[in-house]
Amino acid sequence: DTEVTQTPKHLVMGMTNKKSLKCEQHMGHRAMYWYKQKAKKPPELMFVYSYEKLSINESVPSRFSPECPNSSLLNLHLHALQPEDSALYLCASRSSGNNEQFFGPGTRLTVL
Amino acid sequence: QQPVQSPQAVILREGEDAVINCSSSKALYSVHWYRQKHGEAPVFLMILLKGGEQKGHEKISASFNEKKQQSSLYLTASQLSYSGTYFCGTETFGNEKLTFGTGTRLTIIP
Repeated sequence: DTEVTQTPKHLVMGMTNKKSLKCEQHMGHRAMYWYKQKAKKPPELMFVYSYEKLSINESVPSRFSPECPNSSLLNLHLHALQPEDSALYLCASRSSGNNEQFFGPGTRLTVL
Repeated sequence: QQPVQSPQAVILREGEDAVINCSSSKALYSVHWYRQKHGEAPVFLMILLKGGEQKGHEKISASFNEKKQQSSLYLTASQLSYSGTYFCGTETFGNEKLTFGTGTRLTIIP
């Protein structure tokens, strides 16, 4: 099983809203990632969690707040976003054994 | 720094072959290849971990030239299902993150 799940699939929010994106994997992977992808561009790394600890923050604005409650779950809390934050948000997890990295289906976020 | 892929876009007829290249300015530990269809997430194709390593997956294979800091993806006898944007993701030593290349849009026509 190489499945990473994400909810919701689509999200529309206003600039004053607070929302959360959720990611789950049950492959026993110890590294989990958040990426942001704009149309016709490659995925851009936002955060890396390794063994449930934040190991990389790619200078992401504080209106994005990641959380790793346990080894299977990864959340991304959103607050006071801007319209330019509209994008596809991808979660991924990586095997420490063979280094293969798998993406979830993504959450399409629209900020009005 | 972002790896550079070439070509940016290519159109092929079904059954033709294609090569997609990925070049990095840094010494690489691994190269990952993904295909992404419009509106979907990237799908993992393969990972190359050692210099000179070649891997195959049905009619899709790849090579990794560690000295040249390059990788190439080979698609033979292309099928309509191969259409999409291909990204390489590179990883440097001691760094657990992938940096994705500029992407190559592949269109297969009947």
